[in-house]
Amino acid sequence: GESVGLHLPTLSVQEGDNSIINCAYSNSASDYFIWYKQESGKGPQFIIDIRSNMDKRQGQRVTVLLNKTVKHLSLQIAATQPGDSAVYFCADWGSQTSGSRLTFGEGTQLTVNP
Amino acid sequence: NAGVTQTPKFQVLKTGQSMTLQCAQDMNHEYMSWYRQDPGMGLRLIHYSVGAGITDQGEVPNGYNVSRSTTEDFPLRLLSAAPSQTSVYFCASSYSTETHYGYTFGSGTRLTVV
Repeated sequence: GESVGLHLPTLSVQEGDNSIINCAYSNSASDYFIWYKQESGKGPQFIIDIRSNMDKRQGQRVTVLLNKTVKHLSLQIAATQPGDSAVYFCADWGSQTSGSRLTFGEGTQLTVNP
Repeated sequence: NAGVTQTPKFQVLKTGQSMTLQCAQDMNHEYMSWYRQDPGMGLRLIHYSVGAGITDQGEVPNGYNVSRSTTEDFPLRLLSAAPSQTSVYFCASSYSTETHYGYTFGSGTRLTVV
């Protein structure tokens, strides 16, 4: 069945380094993906999204890469800051045939060391 | 302030009790949904609604009921609480079922069933 998963549950980086968080998905018909950031005690917050007709999208300090061939996407955070410490989720907005629903991966805990 | 408001923030129930988690949004969003988040896991969809009077089941609907009598409100009812329903519950809304760029989460309700 459908699943969205992350390669690593935790990631620790030094302040100023670049961070890369990976995500694999199984539904080849998925056409829209979103990355969320969740700080402790709060709801998920939208970071960036990408549609399946793109392979890269850039935001402020963040870049999402999509490789449809291997069903993999990644979130790159440039010059990681202590405020970036949070759990990051990728989410898959399934194709219309799978219904209007968002499927979340398990999450990666990013820790930024000063 | 515009956004998604969830009440209560914390709740303790005894096994077998029923209760309603409230969710309200003032952004005139058509799409609303409920998720549960268990420790170390991503969010799982319980129920969702694409507009007033329309609801559908998500990934884990058993033990929960929803209704959508107005655009603004989307309450989640626990019929007979069980310890397995101990979780953090998030409500979310979006102006469209086609994109989640405007997808907004509430701050969550932490529920403990003893």
